[in-house]
Amino acid sequence: AQSVTQLDSQVPVFEEAPVELRCNYSSSVSVYLFWYVQYPNQGLQLLLKYLSGSTLVESINGFEAEFNKSQTSFHLRKPSVHISDTAEYFCAVSYGTSYGKLTFGQGTILTVHP
Amino acid sequence: DAGVIQSPRHEVTEMGQEVTLRCKPISGHDSLFWYRQTMMRGLELLIYFNNNVPIDDSGMPEDRFSAKMPNASFSTLKIQPSEPRDSAVYFCASSSPGQPSSGNTIYFGEGSWLTVV
Repeated sequence: AQSVTQLDSQVPVFEEAPVELRCNYSSSVSVYLFWYVQYPNQGLQLLLKYLSGSTLVESINGFEAEFNKSQTSFHLRKPSVHISDTAEYFCAVSYGTSYGKLTFGQGTILTVHP
Repeated sequence: DAGVIQSPRHEVTEMGQEVTLRCKPISGHDSLFWYRQTMMRGLELLIYFNNNVPIDDSGMPEDRFSAKMPNASFSTLKIQPSEPRDSAVYFCASSSPGQPSSGNTIYFGEGSWLTVV
């Protein structure tokens, strides 16, 4: 069965510190990878995605993620976080024959402290 | 673009009552998804449609749940009768046309927050 594992349910960090949110998925021949962010009481917003090409993808607000096929991982990183990055982050996978259907991880709550 | 529009945003209802959640996808999108989010189970796909046709409803919990998409701009998710364990946030999402496995971005609505007492 297709699955996505986010290894940390909560990640507390101090402002301006680096952060890594981990994500592993079950292996498949064809896979597309996404990170979504959910701010309190809001819907999910796409942060970044990997479809093909360069294994390092970046978002407009300083996050980046690297697709590692051998380790079936798609970890999300930011070198310096802000208070405003406090939110829940979801890793999601779309498998090649699934009509774009997403399978989500359980989410990681990132809390940035001043 | 108005985005995916869901209504109601919040609903509190008594056990046994019928609940209808509504969704208007982004114009031009041909796939529509209904997700449920709970603390215990996270985000679960309930059902999705492509060109108004249900493709996979294996995530629908039981016969109390039903979903329809009568046209490209409207979908409903109905729970009848509702139970306290149905309390959750229900998200509708849509994605743009393309090959089924093109990796098109799925856009989410703000969610419908349902509480069944």
